[in-house]
Amino acid sequence: DAGVTQSPTHLIKTRGQQVTLRCSPKSGHDTVSWYQQALGQGPQFIFQYYEEEERQRGNFPDRFSGHQFPNYSSELNVNALLLGDSALYLCASSLRQTSSYEQYFGPGTRLTVT
Amino acid sequence: GNSVTQMEGPVTLSEEAFLTINCTYTATGYPSLFWYVQYPGEGLQLLLKATKADDKGSNKGFEATYRKETTSFHLEKGSVQVSDSAVYFCALRGVSSNTGKLIFGQGTTLQVKP
Repeated sequence: DAGVTQSPTHLIKTRGQQVTLRCSPKSGHDTVSWYQQALGQGPQFIFQYYEEEERQRGNFPDRFSGHQFPNYSSELNVNALLLGDSALYLCASSLRQTSSYEQYFGPGTRLTVT
Repeated sequence: GNSVTQMEGPVTLSEEAFLTINCTYTATGYPSLFWYVQYPGEGLQLLLKATKADDKGSNKGFEATYRKETTSFHLEKGSVQVSDSAVYFCALRGVSSNTGKLIFGQGTTLQVKP
């Protein structure tokens, strides 16, 4: 049973560029959430996708956008990168119908903006 | 708004010592509470959870009790091992959340020495 997978593992971008991160949820899951974890901090909720729509959004600017595909996989896009966007980006999947909303996390994508 | 506060680290212990990592929260009603662990270079793994007051979550020798009167969810283990060295995150899911959005503390690094 495959868990949550993310790609790429590491990424280096230059300020002002755009980046796309990818996530495949755990088998059987239909909901994907994205979190940003800055160095030495706890993860911060970016947004969640279910049925190919953004369902909830955290306190992040519009430069952060996402997409969910019919196979439940998801992408996180960040435009006009800033140095402060350097972080570990975590994807978590869950099954919406279960009341526990238990989230399973992937290993993350380490983004470095120079 | 909802928030989680953890004791600052790093916490350094000798093998077989007793561990306590303090966690307090601010939230309305009865949120669900979680402890996640992050090993070096990996994503988050759910360690234990409690969904109502006085519940005790336990896993792999770790325990935490949901204390509504003190708004706390302290993590304990009777005898730590070197392999427990990791970063531990306390988190909550708000009672009104229908998306499973998690709010994390800043994390506490545990170092266990042989």
